[in-house]
This record gives sequence, C-alpha cells and structure tokens, in this order.
Amino acid sequence: RKEVEQDPGPFNVPEGATVAFNCTYSNSASQSFFWYRQDCRKEPKLLMSVYSSGNEDGRFTAQLNRASQYISLLIRDSKLSDSATYLCVVNIIDTGGFKTIFGAGTRLFVKA
Amino acid sequence: NAGVTQTPKFQVLKTGQSMTLQCAQDMNHNSMYWYRQDPGMGLRLIYYSASEGTTDKGEVPNGYNVSRLNKREFSLRLESAAPSQTSVYFCASRQATEAFFGQGTRLTVV
Repeated sequence: RKEVEQDPGPFNVPEGATVAFNCTYSNSASQSFFWYRQDCRKEPKLLMSVYSSGNEDGRFTAQLNRASQYISLLIRDSKLSDSATYLCVVNIIDTGGFKTIFGAGTRLFVKA
Repeated sequence: NAGVTQTPKFQVLKTGQSMTLQCAQDMNHNSMYWYRQDPGMGLRLIYYSASEGTTDKGEVPNGYNVSRLNKREFSLRLESAAPSQTSVYFCASRQATEAFFGQGTRLTVV
C-alpha cells in the first residue's frame, strides 16, 4: 500500500464548478501536510499548507482529519487556469528520520 | 531570484553512457534532494543531502550517485544509464517544511 494515496482522476469540470480532491496517508507519524500544484511539464509548487483547523486561501480550502488520516482540497468557482495536477504531500518523522512523501497526484481539467 | 536551477533540461542517452545532472540553489538552504517522477508513481526520492558534506539514500538510489559539492550545489550522476532510468528528474531544496523545485530534466535512455 502506498504511504500517500490520491485518486488519479482526471477530473473534468466546467468553469465555475466546485471540485474536491481527497488524499489518505498511512503513517501515523505524519507531522505536516501540504498541497502542491504541478502544471503540465513544469515543476511542483507549493499551493497551501493543511491544518486540522482548516486553511482557506481565496477559492481554495484545505482540511486535515488526523483521526481518519485524510486530507482534502476544495476548489470553488473553478477557473480554466486551475487545470493542473494537484499533489498531496506529507512530512513524516519516524525511526527512519525526516522524510517527505508525495502522492502520485490528481489531474484536473477545467473546461469552458 | 533564480531559486533552484537544474541543467540540462533535456537529455537523450544511449544505454551504458554516463552523465551528471547539475543542480544549484541560491537560497542558502541546508537540505537538497533529487527526485524522479514517473507516470502514476508520483515523486520518488533518489538521494538527499541534509547539509553540506552529507548525503543519504532515498527510496530508489540504485544506479545513481550524488555529490554535495558545497552548500549551493548537489549533483546526480548516472554511471551506466539504463532504459529504466528514463524519467523526469527534479532537484529540490528545502526551507523549513516547504520544498522548492528546479524546472526538471527530461532524460530518455535508449
């Protein structure tokens, strides 16, 4: 089982739609959580951090449920420019030290 | 502000050839990383360097070597390239919990 699992999609949505991505992680030693965005043929870039209390940045809302080991990203009022792959990222500190685990990503296509 | 710079951007190698991927960061970060990204696999850690002078294996180190030349530079070497090493390679550096990535190297081994 992968340490971080995401629905690969693709999600095809019209402009203006609300879309939600889910991510689950398996290591209870996970310390911090993030969503990265990766445009086609580009490098990943930090989109936002994820906190148990929830984190909102404009149209984007990220949520963490530690009990269920589940992370979500909600995008409201989707724009064409939101088309990208969204990577769920988990930092873990355990007996192996500090490590960052990337999910395989969820692809989003927003269409006019 | 260059951030993380990787070279080359594209490379085609024949099986058995060697090459070095270069990476430099100008953000004074201690930690640097090399990942490979394959379809459906996400980013997998090859090697990392927590600080100048130290390197450690990641999840998929076989077939690779690294050098942390100084605080700025972290290179990845393929001694004898294999088709299984066809991938997109990303270098990254870290400040606290945020990782900053280079633009990637698309490597094809034929």
